[in-house]
Amino acid sequence: DAGVIQSPRHEVTEMGQEVTLRCKPISGHNSLFWYRQTMMRGLELLIYFNNNVPIDDSGMPEDRFSAKMPNASFSTLKIQPSEPRDSAVYFCASSLGERPFFGQGTRLTVV
Amino acid sequence: GNSVTQMEGPVTLSEEAFLTINCTYTATGYPSLFWYVQYPGEGLQLLLKATKADDKGSNKGFEATYRKETTSFHLEKGSVQVSDSAVYFCALRNYGGSQGNLIFGKGTKLSVKP
Repeated sequence: DAGVIQSPRHEVTEMGQEVTLRCKPISGHNSLFWYRQTMMRGLELLIYFNNNVPIDDSGMPEDRFSAKMPNASFSTLKIQPSEPRDSAVYFCASSLGERPFFGQGTRLTVV
Repeated sequence: GNSVTQMEGPVTLSEEAFLTINCTYTATGYPSLFWYVQYPGEGLQLLLKATKADDKGSNKGFEATYRKETTSFHLEKGSVQVSDSAVYFCALRNYGGSQGNLIFGKGTKLSVKP
């Protein structure tokens, strides 16, 4: 298995633009997580899906952020409009049972 | 709610020194506990885990014991190497309903000097 695949690996965008981050979980996994990592706040859980259903989105910072999981093999995290303070590394993870596997992350820079 | 507190870094050690990174947690029920490692420019990788009280997780010379009485899961290694330089994250996961997410500590950066 190729592991959790995230795209793009790096994204640079201008303030106000829409940004879409993508994640392909490991086949057969039923839980998917989106995390944001910054120097100041560490690793924060944004949203968690179980069987494609959002279970806990309390970590989503504001309405500019939205996440979808239309099927078991794909999820997106969208930021619209983006702001410089959204600059971070965004990680996707998936699991079946208790051990989540992480993707390599998307480094987002909003200028 | 659930939370994880780990010692702040950075931690700088000489090669072959003994390592301890403290981690304590707050959780309802009986969570599983994890240590993840993040090497520069990479995603998080599971280092070790423990699923119940008194379990000891171990991998690559690292160990951590699930201590329910002290709500701790401290990471230890007897002799660190330069290649162990990374950021280490303690995490817990509870199960059932909205408790199924994985909660991380803020991470501890370890630098090992030759």
